[in-house]
Amino acid sequence: DTGVSQNPRHKITKRGQNVTFRCDPISEHNRLYWYRQTLGQGPEFLTYFQNEAQLEKSRLLSDRFSAERPKGSFSTLEIQRTEQGDSAMYLCASSPRTIISASPLHFGNGTRLTVT
Amino acid sequence: AQKVTQAQTEISVVEKEDVTLDCVYETRDTTYYLFWYKQPPSGELVFLIRRNSFDEQNEISGRYSWNFQKSTSSFNFTITASQVVDSAVYFCALSDDSGGSNYKLTFGKGTLLTVNP
Repeated sequence: DTGVSQNPRHKITKRGQNVTFRCDPISEHNRLYWYRQTLGQGPEFLTYFQNEAQLEKSRLLSDRFSAERPKGSFSTLEIQRTEQGDSAMYLCASSPRTIISASPLHFGNGTRLTVT
Repeated sequence: AQKVTQAQTEISVVEKEDVTLDCVYETRDTTYYLFWYKQPPSGELVFLIRRNSFDEQNEISGRYSWNFQKSTSSFNFTITASQVVDSAVYFCALSDDSGGSNYKLTFGKGTLLTVNP
């Protein structure tokens, strides 16, 4: 399977704990994105990497959230001191470098976070 | 600010019926892109189509067709002869063309389509 891979698929944690999610993009894709999706809503943009550089962060990404993409390969999203409002599906997507704008994003299956 | 409205929260049809999913968008940009994604119960968003703002030709792909009307800011999606496997949440999304690096998709809330046998 050469699609976007996310781990874990599900995570249940207690409020106040830290969690980390991993995303492995499609290998030839240099762009990587994190989105968050709550129940009954469409995904919302969180942050974007081009290679290892984090080029933009949404205002949704509070200072408890941090994302990294060392060496421009896989990415991690860490949430510190989780709150119940962080419960959501966290989606990772990647897209290739292209001279054509608006390359479709290829999404992973997501990590569903439940904060109790 | 960009906005995508999918007014239909849920639609239920019987297999073989045709169904149209509505999408209305708002943007101040003259160059933008519109997308449709399918999200089956497994959760993965599957890309269906991309349209840029300069291409108003309608498109057909098998049982799927898309009607882009700039005059009404709509990008509707029709499934002909629906099948049970079409059951999913369908999202319409909008992206601007900020410097050619349009990576921020603004999604609608989605339409849950249920196709009954």
